[in-house]
Amino acid sequence: GAVVSQHPSRVICKSGTSVKIECRSLDFQATTMFWYRQFPKQSLMLMATSNEGSKATYEQGVEKDKFLINHASLTLSTLTVTSAHPEDSSFYICSAPSGRASDEQFFGPGTRLTVL
Amino acid sequence: SQQGEEDPQALSIQEGENATMNCSYKTSINNLQWYRQNSGRGLVHLILIRSNEREKHSGRLRVTLDTSKKSSSLLITASRAADTASYFCATDVGGNNRLAFGKGNQVVVIP
Repeated sequence: GAVVSQHPSRVICKSGTSVKIECRSLDFQATTMFWYRQFPKQSLMLMATSNEGSKATYEQGVEKDKFLINHASLTLSTLTVTSAHPEDSSFYICSAPSGRASDEQFFGPGTRLTVL
Repeated sequence: SQQGEEDPQALSIQEGENATMNCSYKTSINNLQWYRQNSGRGLVHLILIRSNEREKHSGRLRVTLDTSKKSSSLLITASRAADTASYFCATDVGGNNRLAFGKGNQVVVIP
């Protein structure tokens, strides 16, 4: 089956630094990918839609200058958390539509970000 | 905005019992999906039910959808310890794969 990978799986950084998270579709192409954030014991919140070859679309309340998204190829989207602060500590998960009639989406394993 | 909203349940059941969880949403949908998440992991797609469907089965899973009540239920029959996880419903409102997730149900199956 289709697989979506994320790298790194865990990252710890100091406050004020920037962190880049990669999301890759391993055996299929994805013109669109999605980035979600999940705080402990809470649900997933959609942050933005990553579009290959064009600008990302951000959900209301998500700062585009804070969370930079680049969809450089049909298999790679990156999320950069700029000037990270402790409140940005969260579990970041990406997903990509399968492109099949089933409308199934494939989710990455997530990246645990801890900002000290 | 949050669409799917489950009743805030934390289920603890014995292996072999059935587990039922519910989800409600607020606006019209194209489809509703259920996902499973093991602790600290990504999500696994379980089943999708379209707005014109009322019931769907997949293995030990049974999903119902009542669009008049804007609600869905997920039934896991003959539960196993490996079913221990959080279960989320998600709705695709605009048909563009943007999912709105519900709060989730924590299910613990005791061996």
